[in-house]
Amino acid sequence: DIQLTQSPSTLSASVGDRVTITCRASETFTRYLAWYQQKPGKAPNLLVSEVTKLEDGVPSRFIGSASGPEFTLTISGLQPDDFATYYCQQYNTFPSSFGQGTKVEVK
Amino acid sequence: DVQLLESGGGLVQPGGSLRLSCVASGITFSTFGRGWVRQPPGKGLEWVATFSGASSLTYYADSVKGRFTISRDISKNTLYLQMDSLREEDTAVYYCAKGRGSTAFAPFHMWGRGTLVAVSA
Repeated sequence: DIQLTQSPSTLSASVGDRVTITCRASETFTRYLAWYQQKPGKAPNLLVSEVTKLEDGVPSRFIGSASGPEFTLTISGLQPDDFATYYCQQYNTFPSSFGQGTKVEVK
Repeated sequence: DVQLLESGGGLVQPGGSLRLSCVASGITFSTFGRGWVRQPPGKGLEWVATFSGASSLTYYADSVKGRFTISRDISKNTLYLQMDSLREEDTAVYYCAKGRGSTAFAPFHMWGRGTLVAVSA
């Protein structure tokens, strides 16, 4: 089974900052990784699929990338609406799995 | 307007059963991959099960395999999750979600609001 380890667990940042969230996989795969944003009391919202593909309507400041078993979500110029918890998910093999989440909070 | 609506959650004793339903409106649900994801109170997301639209194959997390069954009713445009032998650690908000395309190997791009399952004596 593929385990996903996100870091950091919590990230304190200010509006305008560039923030980076990392998701490291226990096994190497190249394509089927997604990123979600979740706000308190709400369902998750898909931001990025297939490592780099931005969903329709998602601002271009969200950037997905990968290097080997490490996947990255970068928010280039944090906005007030971006304070939330972010999760990675691999759907490359079953059982599918999520990372444990990264909370982006106000510094 | 396209939406997913879950129902069937509630309080149940350990060892009991519940069946969750997810009705889709505005889309023909049966042609897409779809699944269930849960979130224990104050914790992260956990994938539970997926039903492939293309092959009707089903996939389960190890933590629920043998106890939970995912199924569909095409005529009712509804996805189900039958949960048996429930344990306290199954307590969570359960989300129904739709994948893009018929394959099971797709992210969830549409979600319901969730239904709370509480397992307690």
